[in-house]
Amino acid sequence: DIQMTQSPSSLSASVGDRVTITCRASQSISRYLNWYQQKPGKAPNLLIYAASSLQSGVPSRFSGSGSGTDFTLTISSLQPEDFATYYCQQSHSTPMFTFGQGTKLDFK
Amino acid sequence: QVQLVQSGSELKKPGASVKISCKASGYSFTSYAINWVRQAPGQGLEWMGWISTNTGNPTFAQGFTGRLVLSLDTSVSTAYLQISSLKAEDTAVYYCARVGEMATISLDYYHYMDVWGKGTTVTVSS
Repeated sequence: DIQMTQSPSSLSASVGDRVTITCRASQSISRYLNWYQQKPGKAPNLLIYAASSLQSGVPSRFSGSGSGTDFTLTISSLQPEDFATYYCQQSHSTPMFTFGQGTKLDFK
Repeated sequence: QVQLVQSGSELKKPGASVKISCKASGYSFTSYAINWVRQAPGQGLEWMGWISTNTGNPTFAQGFTGRLVLSLDTSVSTAYLQISSLKAEDTAVYYCARVGEMATISLDYYHYMDVWGKGTTVTVSS
């Protein structure tokens, strides 16, 4: 099974900060990597698919990069509505999927 | 609009079974697979299984094989998740999610969960 590890597990930042979250796969997954945002009490929301493709309707301050085993999600200038938990998820082994453990982004 | 509407909260006793529904609207139901994902209180997302809405073939995550049944009623664009032999550890919010697909020129197929239900809370308690 492919394991996904995110770092950090939690992160404190301020509005306007540039934030980077990392996701590492236990084996190469090419670019089969998606990112989701989840706010408390809500369903997850797709941000990025195929490592770097921005989902329709997602602000351009979100970007993704990477391939193989190492990936990053970057928020270029943090906005108040971005404080949430972020998850990476691999789809290399479709129809089997795996999520990372999540990164909680909160207000410094 | 494209949406997945899930059934309401459930309270079950240990050892019982539960069946959750996920009704799709706004798109061709059989054109996208459905994933099931759960989230225990205060925990992360856990992928449970996928069902092809074309063939009805399910795939399960390790640890769920044997207790999980994924099914469809394509006549009403609805997917179902049934869990048997419930334990306290099954207390969670259960989500269904549509599996989107992007194909590249080189015929690489990328899959992602682009539409989610609001979730169904299942509480297992004696």
